[in-house]
Amino acid sequence: DIQMTQSPSSLSASVGDRVTITCRASQAISSYLNWYQQKPGKAPKLLIYGASSLQTGVPSRFSGSGSGTDLTLTISSLQPEDFATYYCQQSYSTPYTFGQGTKLQIK
Amino acid sequence: QVTLKESGPALVKPTQTLTLTCTFSGFSLSTTGMRVSWIRQPPGKALEWLARIDWDDDKFYSTSLKTRLTISKDTSKNQVVLTMTNMDPADTATYYCARGTKTSSILVFDYWGQGNLVTVSS
Repeated sequence: DIQMTQSPSSLSASVGDRVTITCRASQAISSYLNWYQQKPGKAPKLLIYGASSLQTGVPSRFSGSGSGTDLTLTISSLQPEDFATYYCQQSYSTPYTFGQGTKLQIK
Repeated sequence: QVTLKESGPALVKPTQTLTLTCTFSGFSLSTTGMRVSWIRQPPGKALEWLARIDWDDDKFYSTSLKTRLTISKDTSKNQVVLTMTNMDPADTATYYCARGTKTSSILVFDYWGQGNLVTVSS
């Protein structure tokens, strides 16, 4: 199975900050990487697919980059509604695997 | 619009078999390229993918759980069923079903159900 390791596991930031979350795969996954946002008590929401493509309706302050084993999610200017937990997920091969999550908290 | 909804027990006893049903609308699992997966999340923990069933009845399972899982579909009812045998307290989690589609050849979970919390306790 491909292991996905996210860092950091938690992050404190302020509204307006730029933040970056990293996802490292245990083997190369090309661009088969998706990012999800999850708020408490809710199902995850797809933000980014294929490492860098923005899902329809997602604000442009979210962006993704990278390929191979190291991929990143960047939020260019944090908004109050962005404080949530973020997960990466590889769709390179089954069994699909998720990172352990990054909890983004208000500083 | 696309919707999915999980249904099943909220409480099961250890060693029992869990049966969860995902009832969906807005798409058909007989359409080429459509897939449904089950994903779970223990309280306060990360997401874990469990199983997938495809439009052509191909099935895929978690490596660690495959001996305990069975996924099936009833296309006429727009339902996908997951059974998990020999339940343990460690299986306490919210169980989600999600639609899987390929966007630019990337498999994504683009629509999710609200989740069904299952507690395993005697």
